[in-house]
Amino acid sequence: AQTVTQSQPEMSVQEAETVTLSCTYDTSESDYYLFWYKQPPSRQMILVIRQEAYKQQNATENRFSVNFQKAAKSFSLKISDSQLGDAAMYFCAYRRSQGGSEKLVFGKGTKLTVNP
Amino acid sequence: DAGVTQSPTHLIKTRGQQVTLRCSPKSGHDTVSWYQQALGQGPQFIFQYYEEEERQRGNFPDRFSGHQFPNYSSELNVNALLLGDSALYLCASSPRTSGSHEQFFGPGTRLTVL
Repeated sequence: AQTVTQSQPEMSVQEAETVTLSCTYDTSESDYYLFWYKQPPSRQMILVIRQEAYKQQNATENRFSVNFQKAAKSFSLKISDSQLGDAAMYFCAYRRSQGGSEKLVFGKGTKLTVNP
Repeated sequence: DAGVTQSPTHLIKTRGQQVTLRCSPKSGHDTVSWYQQALGQGPQFIFQYYEEEERQRGNFPDRFSGHQFPNYSSELNVNALLLGDSALYLCASSPRTSGSHEQFFGPGTRLTVL
């Protein structure tokens, strides 16, 4: 079974600074998808960024980028120029690529605090 | 374009009761997945519905059941509620045949079992 581990229960960053959230996963599959989701206090889970395992290039979305190390099974999220609105729970998630809409396997999350 | 909607927002039940939670998927989506998120934890997959049938199931007892209607909306039913069923229940929808691979989440239903 696939597992996702987020080793940092809480992280904090100063506004405008950069922070990196860690995620490791375990799978025997060679093709899969990885996601970072953001869950603010409003509870709505929002997709931040997605990475296809077959792509060597790291995904980027504006201030958000990932460092995908397939051999190490590591998938970290870097947030640049942190803003107060980035404060939230961040979840790393894994999904198999086979089949249709496969289930997501989530880590336990990292609570990010942004200090003004 | 309405996103994923869930009702009710909050619910309080007592042990042994039964509860039904509802979800309407995002327009154009035909697959609905349900997740349970206990306090301080990541979401755990309960099951997924497509074409009105349960297609995948996580490690949850038979007390958890569901249904999908022809309009793709879905219900999650939990019987014989336990204190441990207190959680945020999230619904997510996706288009099965799309290459998007993204699941869109609703705001969730907060269930409290007393």
